Amino acid sequence: SQQGEEDPQALSIQEGENATMNCSYKTSINNLQWYRQNSGRGLVHLILIRSNEREKHSGRLRVTLDTSKKSSSLLITASRAADTASYFCATAVKGYQKVTFGIGTKLQVIP
Amino acid sequence: EADIYQTPRYLVIGTGKKITLECSQTMGHDKMYWYQQDPGMELHLIHYSYGVNSTEKGDLSSESTVSRIRTEHFPLTLESARPSHTSQYLCASSEYVRGSQETQYFGPGTRLLVL
Repeated sequence: SQQGEEDPQALSIQEGENATMNCSYKTSINNLQWYRQNSGRGLVHLILIRSNEREKHSGRLRVTLDTSKKSSSLLITASRAADTASYFCATAVKGYQKVTFGIGTKLQVIP
Repeated sequence: EADIYQTPRYLVIGTGKKITLECSQTMGHDKMYWYQQDPGMELHLIHYSYGVNSTEKGDLSSESTVSRIRTEHFPLTLESARPSHTSQYLCASSEYVRGSQETQYFGPGTRLLVL
């Protein structure tokens, strides 16, 4: 089973609405990272949040981390059609020198 | 845009051919990675490297091999391509920080179709 699992698997919203996607994981982590992937392209890093942080912001993005619940959420405010992409969380497990990616959330923003 | 490049972007090839997917980065990163991703699915780590002359197998068993002779270059080779190798291959790099896993920068990917 996946170390990181995103929820929902797919999300469709109107432009201007907020989009929230969640990531749950199983073991203790050093950090959790969110990436975006446009169709057929590589991944682009969005935000890294460390295990001792609870919230981070970057532009219209807000990431929270709850280590007691082993979960994170990514909020995109005032969504735009250009935000249409798949969003992946990647967990950096303590003691391991690599990250594990979830299956992603497919976000569609309808103009 | 990250300074990491992959060639070719698309490759259609017959069964049994030897192929090499190229990946290069100009950021001076020590760590490099190869992932395999089927459409709409998660990424699976197949190889990674801590630096020159270092190569490690990832979480997903793969018949491919890699080499790391130069910091900036991390090619992946399939000696005999099969239809089961059809997938997207993503290369990434990151700084090496002991005890931590830092941001990864991805190339655009190579879409491989083996007939």
